[in-house]
Amino acid sequence: QVQLQESGPGLVKPSQTLSLTCTVSGDSISSGDYHWSWIRQHPGKGLEWIGYIYYSGSTYYNPSLKSRVTISADRSKNQFSLNLSSVTVADTAVYYCAREWLILDYWGQGALVTVSS
Amino acid sequence: QAVVTQEPSLTVSPGGTVTLTCASSTGAVTSGHYPNWFQQKPGQAPRALIYSTTNKQSWTPARFSGSLLGGKAALTLSGVQPEDEADYYCLLYYGDARVFGGGTRLTVL
Repeated sequence: QVQLQESGPGLVKPSQTLSLTCTVSGDSISSGDYHWSWIRQHPGKGLEWIGYIYYSGSTYYNPSLKSRVTISADRSKNQFSLNLSSVTVADTAVYYCAREWLILDYWGQGALVTVSS
Repeated sequence: QAVVTQEPSLTVSPGGTVTLTCASSTGAVTSGHYPNWFQQKPGQAPRALIYSTTNKQSWTPARFSGSLLGGKAALTLSGVQPEDEADYYCLLYYGDARVFGGGTRLTVL
């Protein structure tokens, strides 16, 4: 059974960098044709796709966030990470990681990150 | 970036049928957009229902079906159950990019 779990600080100060890690079990981020993705959901709002890292290591980001987003992978730990720089209160959201191949089939439970001073 | 539009809300009676749609600002939705559908209940992560227009996940109830309808992607629920009350999101692929619709809140009443 594939499982994903987000972890990281729940509170980040404005202008700082938001960093989250997704730990994957039941699958290897180095194998197959999967994209390992990040999605967020602002409180009471819809879903926003952030970007992904491919099993080969290539990445693609939402153009609206591209200048601030980095997704990377630590294959030794079977983890992938999200860094979002220069955050503002508008980045307060639940952040999800998910596995994708034609469908985001397995999701983490989500991590609420609040941006506040 | 493309904008994907869904009905903000729909209401259906138990046992009834309802169709949710997903439109693209760039034109007709086609199979090349690989339409996905997700269900989200309060406090839970989204759950995948449909991929590549019509394909179901192993856990997707038979009453859910996907299609293309009038230039849009569509999700039809036939024989709606009370537990189908939820938010539903579509996702379209634009090459390497993915764009979610704004979601449809489905009320079963």
